[in-house]
Amino acid sequence: EDQVTQSPEALRLQEGESSSLNCSYTVSGLRGLFWYRQDPGKGPEFLFTLYSAGEEKEKERLKATLTKKESFLHITAPKPEDSATYLCAVQAKGGYQKVTFGTGTKLQVIP
Amino acid sequence: GAVVSQHPSWVICKSGTSVKIECRSLDFQATTMFWYRQFPKQSLMLMATSNEGSKATYEQGVEKDKFLINHASLTLSTLTVTSAHPEDSSFYICSASGDVGYGYTFGSGTRLTVV
Repeated sequence: EDQVTQSPEALRLQEGESSSLNCSYTVSGLRGLFWYRQDPGKGPEFLFTLYSAGEEKEKERLKATLTKKESFLHITAPKPEDSATYLCAVQAKGGYQKVTFGTGTKLQVIP
Repeated sequence: GAVVSQHPSWVICKSGTSVKIECRSLDFQATTMFWYRQFPKQSLMLMATSNEGSKATYEQGVEKDKFLINHASLTLSTLTVTSAHPEDSSFYICSASGDVGYGYTFGSGTRLTVV
């Protein structure tokens, strides 16, 4: 069974204080690993898809990296508007398109 | 980019009544849509996979007769919560796959409260 574990559960940063969120996963052949941002009361917003170990993607202050066992979401010089819950999810290879989500990291950036 | 519209955004209903939630892909065709349920401070739990023109595939533990899914066209899937009870109160979210490489696009979610 596919599993996704995210840490820490919650993270509080000062504005400008860079940090990383972790996503550890086990999957029977990775088709794709996804990062999403979710604001309270809203659906997840797509950030990145990573497909293979060594791959990196960047968007503004966010950078996602992938190894064979985990992914990191690096946040550089965060701003208060980056406060949200960040979700990691994996999809296994094969015909079934099921995506398994982690429980998320709730990030709070303090001005 | 791919856009998924979900309605209503919130609904309050009486116990025993049924509620329908719509999920539309606005600028792409979605042969497959997914329905999730999310409890406070918890992650998304997949309820079922909705396939256009065929029966939905339900995850283990999800009551098929209670959560009716219809995917009548390539742009519309509906979730009907039948004979709703207070324990069905939750945040329901749909998603669909749009452009390749852009993951799955989610609707804005529906907050269901059963009183």
